[in-house]
Amino acid sequence: KAGVTQTPRYLIKTRGQQVTLSCSPISGHRSVSWYQQTPGQGLQFLFEYFSETQRNKGNFPGRFSGRQFSNSRSEMNVSTLELGDSALYLCASSLGNSGGTKETQYFGPGTRLLVL
Amino acid sequence: EDQVTQSPEALRLQEGESSSLNCSYTVSGLRGLFWYRQDPGKGPEFLFTLYSAGEEKEKERLKATLTKKESFLHITAPKPEDSATYLCAVQAEGAQKLVFGQGTRLTINP
Repeated sequence: KAGVTQTPRYLIKTRGQQVTLSCSPISGHRSVSWYQQTPGQGLQFLFEYFSETQRNKGNFPGRFSGRQFSNSRSEMNVSTLELGDSALYLCASSLGNSGGTKETQYFGPGTRLLVL
Repeated sequence: EDQVTQSPEALRLQEGESSSLNCSYTVSGLRGLFWYRQDPGKGPEFLFTLYSAGEEKEKERLKATLTKKESFLHITAPKPEDSATYLCAVQAEGAQKLVFGQGTRLTINP
């Protein structure tokens, strides 16, 4: 079974621009979560999408947004880029079962974003 | 607020020298505790999920254990290819997001 894929793998932007990152989950997985990884803050949760709806959201400004399509693929958008947005952006997919049922998130390779 | 603390931050071992990594956590109600391995420039690779105190899981040279307050990742007779950052994360009941620790950077010298 193919793993989680993310495109592009590397991106260089300048301050004030916007960027869109893409994530294709493992076949059959309906939940996609996005995380930001930086040396100072580690891995931090951005948001989670399930069945084309944002189900959970982390503590990031409104410049960070996302969406999910009917085939479970997801995109993340960052508008008005700041230098501090430079990071590795990771997406993770899972079945999306809520409640007490067990499930595991599997991560993609990430998109490395550099803001100049 | 859910919180995860990993220690040590970095650990350097000789090949064959066994040791343990620690993950202390506080969570409102534990749905699962996860261990991942991350190589430089790559995404985290899933290793184990633990769900309840007393549970243990093994894979090759790695063994993960869980108590009500912490988890240990024991590495037995490590090899240089075990060098990586090991991440611990918790998932609270009813939640989807993972809360990660800062990781332990493990280096195995030949």
